[in-house]
Parts: sequence; C-alpha cells; structure tokens
Amino acid sequence: AQKITQTQPGMFVQEKEAVTLDCTYDTSDPSYGLFWYKQPSSGEMIFLIYQGSYDQQNATEGRYSLNFQKARKSANLVISASQLGDSAMYFCAMRDAGRRALTFGSGTRLQVQP
Amino acid sequence: NAGVTQTPKFRVLKTGQSMTLLCAQDMNHEYMYWYRQDPGMGLRLIHYSVGEGTTAKGEVPDGYNVSRLKKQNFLLGLESAAPSQTSVYFCASSYSRAPYEQYFGPGTRLTVT
Repeated sequence: AQKITQTQPGMFVQEKEAVTLDCTYDTSDPSYGLFWYKQPSSGEMIFLIYQGSYDQQNATEGRYSLNFQKARKSANLVISASQLGDSAMYFCAMRDAGRRALTFGSGTRLQVQP
Repeated sequence: NAGVTQTPKFRVLKTGQSMTLLCAQDMNHEYMYWYRQDPGMGLRLIHYSVGEGTTAKGEVPDGYNVSRLKKQNFLLGLESAAPSQTSVYFCASSYSRAPYEQYFGPGTRLTVT
C-alpha cells in the first residue's frame, strides 16, 4: 500500500526567507507521481507542483521547487522568498498508478511571519 | 469555464437522513473522485470513476454510494447519515493521461447531528 508521511505538523518562516517542507513516501510501484497542494484558510485545494518518478530533473514552478531524492523516497517542497500569502496548509500526495487517485499526507501548516 | 463545482456548499443533516452531493466539471475530464477531509487530516478517497457509467471504491467507501450517469457529473449519496460522516467533502477531476493533475472543487461542509 502507498503511504505519504509529512513529519512537520507546523512550520514558521520569516517573510522573504526560504523554507523546506518535508515529504517521504512509500510505494512498490516503479511508476508514480508526486504532487504538492496548498490549502489556504478558505479551504480550496490549489495545485502547486508535480514530479514524475521517471523525471530526471527536479520540478520547478515559479517560487516552488521540488527536491526529489528517489533513493531516499523523499519529495520535499522548497518555497523561496516566502510571502505572507504563503501561510496555509501544504499537502504532499502521491498518485496511484492503478487508480490514478491520490494518497495524501497529513499536511504541514506553514505560517509566514512579517 | 467554471472548472469543478459542488452543490451544496454547506448542509446540516440529522442522523438517519439521506442526501446527495453533486459534482460537475466542464473540462471534459475522464476521471472523477470524491474525497473527505476530517479536521487535521489529509484527504481520503471515498469513491472514484474512470469513465461514464463506471465507479470503484476508494479507501473509505462504507456508508456512501456514487453514480456517474453523465461524463460531467459525479454524485455522492449518503443513504443514512451518521455523525461519523461529518466532514468536508471534495470532488476532483483529471484527464486520463499524465500528469493526472487533479482539479478540485471548493468543497462541501457537511454536519450530521
């Protein structure tokens, strides 16, 4: 069975600094996808970034980058130059190759301080 | 282009009542999903569908039924609501090709008393 682990229930970061949110995963499937979603206090789920298991390079999307270490089964999200609007819950998720559904971690609450 | 919409946004039910949550998407996605999110937790898959007329169970299917009679709609039914079904329900949809990014609806907050 697939499993996603986020070991940081909460994180604080100063505005304009970078922050890394940890995510480790477990799967026996050689083909999988890893996603990060942001959930602000308003409740919607916002897609941030995707990494495929066969992608050779780490994914980047603007201020977001994914530090993918396949051998360690980790997929950490790096947010550069944090902004107050980055304060939210962040979920790491993995796609199941068979169902195409997502398995989510328990999330990390990020608070950006001015 | 509305994306994924959910009806209703909020609902309060008494134990034993039934209701149907409606999810609609206008992106011509093949796959659709229903998740629930309990306080302090990530989303858990209830049921999903890989095409019109097909449905399958997820991690937490007990107490729910689904139907997908039209490609754009995915209905989630609670036949006899229980307090344990108090949750926020999210619908999502995706294409049937990589990266399978899922687009989420705004959620339905359901309280069962």
